[in-house]
Amino acid sequence: KQEVTQIPAALSVPEGENLVLNCSFTDSAIYNLQWFRQDPGKGLTSLLLIQSSQREQTSGRLNASLDKSSGRSTLYIAASQPGDSATYLCAVRPSAGNNRKLIWGLGTSLAVNP
Amino acid sequence: DAGVIQSPRHEVTEMGQEVTLRCKPISGHNSLFWYRQTMMRGLELLIYFNNNVPIDDSGMPEDRFSAKMPNASFSTLKIQPSEPRDSAVYFCASSFGEVAEAFFGQGTRLTVV
Repeated sequence: KQEVTQIPAALSVPEGENLVLNCSFTDSAIYNLQWFRQDPGKGLTSLLLIQSSQREQTSGRLNASLDKSSGRSTLYIAASQPGDSATYLCAVRPSAGNNRKLIWGLGTSLAVNP
Repeated sequence: DAGVIQSPRHEVTEMGQEVTLRCKPISGHNSLFWYRQTMMRGLELLIYFNNNVPIDDSGMPEDRFSAKMPNASFSTLKIQPSEPRDSAVYFCASSFGEVAEAFFGQGTRLTVV
């Protein structure tokens, strides 16, 4: 059974730091992996989607990597800003079987302090 | 496109009342998902539709929950009767294909007192 874990659950950093958020999954048979951002009281915004055949995706200051063999993905945020403060969620889609719904981590709550 | 639109944004109701949550997916998307989010359990998929047909409702907690998608541009999630443990944020999401990138609405915060 696929399980997705995000560590740490919460992270507080000073503005300007480069930081890495971690996502691990137990079954390497995935179709894709998606990173989302959720602001307090708001919906989820898709940040990056990595297909199983890809190693990384970049959007602006964000870079997401995928290592299927080790069951890991990282979200790298360069030069963090207070506006990056939010909860970041990772979700994995299995590649096989009838049930291919997204499997979610519980998220990392990030606070970037000015 | 305005994105996925959910209504209402907030709902406070008394235990035992019927609650109806509404969702308008992004135009052209053919897959629609209903999620529930709580602090304890995170995001849980309740049900999803493909081309207006329910595909997987195994996440629907019990018979008090029901969902419909009468056409490609509208879906409802109904709880009858509502209970305090149903209090959560309910999200609707849509995608072009059930394994494609998912786009979420702003959610409905439901409080049952």
